[in-house]
Amino acid sequence: DTGVSQNPRHKITKRGQNVTFRCDPISEHNRLYWYRQTLGQGPEFLTYFQNEAQLEKSRLLSDRFSAERPKGSFSTLEIQRTEQGDSAMYLCASSLAEARGDTEAFFGQGTRLTVV
Amino acid sequence: GDSVTQMEGPVTLSEEAFLTINCTYTATGYPSLFWYVQYPGEGLQLLLKATKADDKGSNKGFEATYRKETTSFHLEKGSVQVSDSAVYFCALIGNAGGTSYGKLTFGQGTILTVHP
Repeated sequence: DTGVSQNPRHKITKRGQNVTFRCDPISEHNRLYWYRQTLGQGPEFLTYFQNEAQLEKSRLLSDRFSAERPKGSFSTLEIQRTEQGDSAMYLCASSLAEARGDTEAFFGQGTRLTVV
Repeated sequence: GDSVTQMEGPVTLSEEAFLTINCTYTATGYPSLFWYVQYPGEGLQLLLKATKADDKGSNKGFEATYRKETTSFHLEKGSVQVSDSAVYFCALIGNAGGTSYGKLTFGQGTILTVHP
């Protein structure tokens, strides 16, 4: 397994355009998280999936943001009508939750979004 | 809500110097505590963790002790190397109400630069 994979690594878009990012978690992991990291700050939680169910969304996730995880495998994060304030690194992480305990969260390298 | 506060950086040290990065937290219940590291051009990696009071996490010469009485989880290393240059994030997973879903709350990060 090559770990958590995110695509694209970099995205430059014009304000008002829609963008979609993809995350491929570690294959047996049932939990998937999206975080956003701006320059000089730590990652901030956006949303979380247990298998295909989206169980929690942060207040940071405005109506322009939507995330899916069809069939409990890969996930997509879409931002509609992008704004300059959306410029950030978008991180995906996955973990395995079992009755005996959870594994650590493994992070992808992120997608850096620049809105011009 | 949960929060993590790290000492302000950046931190610049000479090789073989002693390192301390302070971290304090606010959380209800009994959170699990983590240090993540981000090397240049790489994704976040778990460095060490502690899941209950007085536990000591350790890895690669780094240590941190879960101090519930002072709500702290300071990172220490006795002799840093140039290869330790990275950004270090303190984080927690809260468990108020017994369910956390593994959501991480991060501090703002501390940039460490080690010179030969």
